[in-house]
Amino acid sequence: DVKVTQSSRYLVKRTGEKVFLECVQDMDHENMFWYRQDPGLGLRLIYFSYDVKMKEKGDIPEGYSVSREKKERFSLILESASTNQTSMYLCASSLPDRNTEAFFGQGTRLTVV
Amino acid sequence: LAKTTQPISMDSYEGQEVNITCSHNNIATNDYITWYQQFPSQGPRFIIQGYKTKVTNEVASLFIPADRKSSTLSLPRVSLSDTAVYYCLVGGRTSGTYKYIFGTGTRLKVLA
Repeated sequence: DVKVTQSSRYLVKRTGEKVFLECVQDMDHENMFWYRQDPGLGLRLIYFSYDVKMKEKGDIPEGYSVSREKKERFSLILESASTNQTSMYLCASSLPDRNTEAFFGQGTRLTVV
Repeated sequence: LAKTTQPISMDSYEGQEVNITCSHNNIATNDYITWYQQFPSQGPRFIIQGYKTKVTNEVASLFIPADRKSSTLSLPRVSLSDTAVYYCLVGGRTSGTYKYIFGTGTRLKVLA
């Protein structure tokens, strides 16, 4: 079974802090994704990576950046956390050409105070 | 951009067939339609995917009409453990850009 592991289930950070959310997958998938999930808004794509060091902006990239130095690891970075970034963050991975058949991690619930 | 619309919630009884419809009027030629299931405190789990007509696997069927502007997830004989939120996703690569649009989800409650 594919395993997508997010480093933290719960995280509390202060406004203005730089925050790193880490995600690792063990199935050698080329594609990796970061989504955020908010009540009433569903899942929204933040960034997508289709290869090491390659990335594409999703629907809501503002305030976020990503890093993919190794195939198995995809990091989401909040350069200066703000309260409106309080959310559930979900990482996913998939095979190439199967972007919509993704495997998700358990999520990281981030609270910015 | 393909926006998706789903009912907010549905109730059903054990043993019944449940059909959840997703509307996606602006679906692009390259877009696939995918459905996910999500339990509380877990990430979404892939259920089924299709492009057109009908797709069936061991857990569900997906019906897509010829115009592809909607799709229906069909869950046969639901049980209490099927209580979850179901998301419709429309996405693919259009003009060199990847776009994935999740619906806001349908909360299915299965009653005994």
